[in-house]
Amino acid sequence: GVTQSPTHLIKTRGQQVTLRCSSQSGHNTVSWYQQALGQGPQFIFQYYRKEENGRGNFPPRFSGLQFPNDSSELNVNALELDDSALYLCASSFLSGGYNSPLHFGNGTRLTVT
Amino acid sequence: QKEVEQNSGPLSVPEGAIASLNCTYSDRVSQSFFWYRQYSGKSPELIMSIYSNGDKEDGRFTAQLNKASQYVSLLIRDSQPSDSATYLCAANPNFGNEKLTFGTGTRLTIIP
Repeated sequence: GVTQSPTHLIKTRGQQVTLRCSSQSGHNTVSWYQQALGQGPQFIFQYYRKEENGRGNFPPRFSGLQFPNDSSELNVNALELDDSALYLCASSFLSGGYNSPLHFGNGTRLTVT
Repeated sequence: QKEVEQNSGPLSVPEGAIASLNCTYSDRVSQSFFWYRQYSGKSPELIMSIYSNGDKEDGRFTAQLNKASQYVSLLIRDSQPSDSATYLCAANPNFGNEKLTFGTGTRLTIIP
């Protein structure tokens, strides 16, 4: 399945953070979502073939990478208190313009103080 | 106006009864719809996907889609205590998952 690390993280406002994700075997896209407490997940971006393939309404200080083995990183610079949330990684298989259903990892709980 | 709206609940249903969860969406170009189940502190788990008007059944779950009314529902028959969770409705303008828009979720509690 999809694995994420670390499970929990505490950072200070203004710091930078890197979250990691290993996609499910056979999947070629990685998507990142932010889920604040009591809210539904919000789409940050998706990566396909190491390129950003769609982005939600998040500022440029949210950036990502996809590696040749289809694993991924989410980087957030200049952390703000509102960045405190559960960050979910999801992978899928994209072919011919069709995405298979998303499979989510267990998430990274980020707390910014 | 939120793009995908759900009643936040909590919705309480007796064990063995039918739980009915509803969702409306505002983007008429939405093509694909999904129901995810999320236990407290866990990640969302896909239960159903539906793309065409009508009903789609999978075990105890039935998803219903009415594009004219911009309405999606999930029925859970023979509700079990293990069905107690938050149910998230999601929509996508394409036949895929590259940008799912989620509702805030409905918290369902099955009462033994």
